[in-house]
Amino acid sequence: DIQMTQSPSSLSASVGDTVTITCRASQRINRYLNWYQHKPGNAPKLLIFATSSLERGVPSRFSGTGSGTDFTLTITTLRTEDFATYYCQQTYGTPPMFSFGQGTKLEIK
Amino acid sequence: QVQLLQSGAEVKKPGASVKVSCKVSGSTLSQLSIHWVRQTPGKGLEWMGSFDPEVGEPLYPQQLRGRVTVTEDASTDTAYMDLSSLKSDDTGVYFCATDLFRGSFPLFDLWGQGTVVTVSS
Repeated sequence: DIQMTQSPSSLSASVGDTVTITCRASQRINRYLNWYQHKPGNAPKLLIFATSSLERGVPSRFSGTGSGTDFTLTITTLRTEDFATYYCQQTYGTPPMFSFGQGTKLEIK
Repeated sequence: QVQLLQSGAEVKKPGASVKVSCKVSGSTLSQLSIHWVRQTPGKGLEWMGSFDPEVGEPLYPQQLRGRVTVTEDASTDTAYMDLSSLKSDDTGVYFCATDLFRGSFPLFDLWGQGTVVTVSS
């Protein structure tokens, strides 16, 4: 199975900052990479799919880039509601096996 | 609109099994892939298994193969996830999810509300 490694595991930032989270796959996954936001007590929320496509209703301060094995999620101008845990997910293969990264907890500084 | 409604919280003893259900409303199981994901304190989000009608058989990650079984009842549009040989680190929140978009890139864009499973002696 494909392994996903996220970094950092935790991140402290202030409202208004820009942050970047990285995700590395153990093999090439082309653009089969999604990003989710998860807050305690809620279901995870899809933010970005296919590396860089923004899910409907997600603010444009979220963006994704990458290809092959290395991917990034960038959040610009952080707002209080953005403090959460973020996960990458690969969906490569036929059939796909949907492994997640270990998560990045974004906390208020 | 399509919704996924999960069963209620469960408390189980180590070694027991748990079965979580996920009822589809606003669509039918035959049109949806259903995926199971859990969130545990030690491991974050973990994909547990899926059933895609286009694949026709369940899919499981290597680390849970043999302990998890995903099934479906088309007559009630309900999907089930059965986890056996429970251990304390199986304690967490279990979610079902689906891909409503059904584009070229799989994704999980609709989720159930989650089911809390507690494993304790």
